[in-house]
Amino acid sequence: GAVVSQHPSRVICKSGTSVKIECRSLDFQATTMFWYRQFPKQSLMLMATSNEGSKATYEQGVEKDKFLINHASLTLSTLTVTSAHPEDSSFYICSASRGTTGYFGPGTRLTVL
Amino acid sequence: AQSVTQLDSHVSVSEGTPVLLRCNYSSSYSPSLFWYVQHPNKGLQLLLKYTSAATLVKGINGFEAEFKKSETSFHLTKPSAHMSDAAEYFCVVSVNTGTASKLTFGTGTRLQVTL
Repeated sequence: GAVVSQHPSRVICKSGTSVKIECRSLDFQATTMFWYRQFPKQSLMLMATSNEGSKATYEQGVEKDKFLINHASLTLSTLTVTSAHPEDSSFYICSASRGTTGYFGPGTRLTVL
Repeated sequence: AQSVTQLDSHVSVSEGTPVLLRCNYSSSYSPSLFWYVQHPNKGLQLLLKYTSAATLVKGINGFEAEFKKSETSFHLTKPSAHMSDAAEYFCVVSVNTGTASKLTFGTGTRLQVTL
């Protein structure tokens, strides 16, 4: 099956710093990737759609200047949480579609102190 | 527009007994439907998918689901629960946006398996 990786798996940072999370499709190319956020014991909330070679499409209520997305190649998308604050602490998950099926990365646990 | 309703937020079964996790969907088009499982602090793993072929879909770990268009349902079942099945389960509907498939998640069902 298709494999999607994320790095790092866990990050702790100080308030005010920026954190970059990488999402890679390891054995297939993905022109589109998706970034989700998951709060404890809740479902996944789609944040944005990452499009290779063009600007990301953000869901309503998601600050594009806060969550910067770059889809530099067909196998890599990055999410940068800028000037992180404790309320940004969450589990961030990316996915890439192959055909009609979405394959998910293992997630990144962000803790902002 | 599409949506997914998972009818139970929490299901508890005894080990060795059947599992039923319920899901209803709404979609303007012929949907693709999926079940994913998430263990604590882990990513999502695809259990099975329906993409307009056979209505009874078999997945990994003994799970299966039946697509019933007349009932707009896609319930997940397993004949005999194992302790390792305890996890969060998400029913998902997919719509093709042209360049990729956009997924809409249900709110999840937490499966608890007791001895």
